[in-house]
Amino acid sequence: EIVMTQSPAVLSASPGQRATLSCRASESISRNLAWYQQRPGQTPRLLIHAASTTAGGVPPRFSGSGSGTEFTLAISSLESEDFVVYYCQQYDKWPPVFGQGTKLEI
Amino acid sequence: VEMVESGGGVGQPGKSLRLSCVGSGFSFRTHGLHWVRQAPGKGLEWVALIPYDGSKTFYADSVKDRFTVSRDNSRNTLFLEMNRLRPEDTAVYYCAKEGGPYFFDNWGLGTLVTVSS
Repeated sequence: EIVMTQSPAVLSASPGQRATLSCRASESISRNLAWYQQRPGQTPRLLIHAASTTAGGVPPRFSGSGSGTEFTLAISSLESEDFVVYYCQQYDKWPPVFGQGTKLEI
Repeated sequence: VEMVESGGGVGQPGKSLRLSCVGSGFSFRTHGLHWVRQAPGKGLEWVALIPYDGSKTFYADSVKDRFTVSRDNSRNTLFLEMNRLRPEDTAVYYCAKEGGPYFFDNWGLGTLVTVSS
């Protein structure tokens, strides 16, 4: 089973700053990676799939990049509602596996 | 798109619970559907998949031989039969619709399952 490792576990930033979240796969997953956002007490929301394709309704400040084993979620100018938890998920190899999450805090 | 789970609650170790998920606002019968769970304060764990036609089922090792996923396309409903419950099955269970093979573009609100005596 592929292991997905997100770093850092907690990222401190300020509104208006740029944030970069990392996700590493234990073996190559091509570009078959998704990013989800989860607000406290809420359901996960798809942000990005295919490593860099933004899901419908997602603000343009969110972008994804990477391929193989190294991936990045960037948030260009943080807004207060962005300070929540983010998960990456690989879907290249069976079974689907999530990273442990990165908490973005003010 | 809306997906609404039900059936959660408190189950005793070794006993059973059955979860349901009703989907609307999309072509239910043409999408693969998954169950994903989240233990309290923890991350997301994929649990099970059933393709659009229910022809096969797939499970995480942690639930294999205990959980059974099924669907009734005539009622736009997904099910998860959970047998031989363990305390480590305690989690919010989400149903999730595939946006493409094996990633999830719509999730239900979740239903909490607590396994405790």
